[in-house]
Amino acid sequence: EPEVTQTPSHQVTQMGQEVILRCVPISNHLYFYWYRQILGQKVEFLVSFYNNEISEKSEIFDDQFSVERPDGSNFTLKIRSTKLEDSAMYFCASGVTNTEAFFGQGTRLTVV
Amino acid sequence: AQSVTQPDIHITVSEGASLELRCNYSYGATPYLFWYVQSPGQGLQLLLKYFSGDTLVQGIKGFEAEFKRSQSSFNLRKPSVHWSDAAEYFCAVGAQGGFQKLVFGTGTRLLVSP
Repeated sequence: EPEVTQTPSHQVTQMGQEVILRCVPISNHLYFYWYRQILGQKVEFLVSFYNNEISEKSEIFDDQFSVERPDGSNFTLKIRSTKLEDSAMYFCASGVTNTEAFFGQGTRLTVV
Repeated sequence: AQSVTQPDIHITVSEGASLELRCNYSYGATPYLFWYVQSPGQGLQLLLKYFSGDTLVQGIKGFEAEFKRSQSSFNLRKPSVHWSDAAEYFCAVGAQGGFQKLVFGTGTRLLVSP
């Protein structure tokens, strides 16, 4: 069964460093999303991406964040200068239509 | 703006007993409603979803949920719980017209006792 794949499963980075979280969505999917879950808190929407552009983003998704689909198969989330409060589990999701989303297993980002 | 309330943080159920997890939503129009399950160290797996039509929705793993507009609820049920159902369950609401910006509840952790 096809699945959304995220790498790495766990990343530790120093505060102020740039980090790129990688996702390989399911191959025929057209809609892509990033969500995050700070430990003990709700899963929160970050951004949605369709037709090679951001379709919606949350207040969390400020200028420090960017997304890219560089090669038609990967979908990346970049955090330019990480802060301690960026520590969270980051989930990538994709869907054929905009009424479904299949989530990956997540990347746990720890900023020290 | 949409919001979701899951009033129970933890629930313990005996194996073989029935289960009901509560979810209340706030949204001005007919919402898209979802239940996801997250096992330890795993991602979010979709159990079921409601968009329109029959208000009783069947999902995977023997789960079902009922949409009650009058109560703004979308409670998840299972007639007989298995030990493998122990996990965290999230209710989520999406706006009509798209999946953009799914809003999740805080989750309910299900513990299954022998």
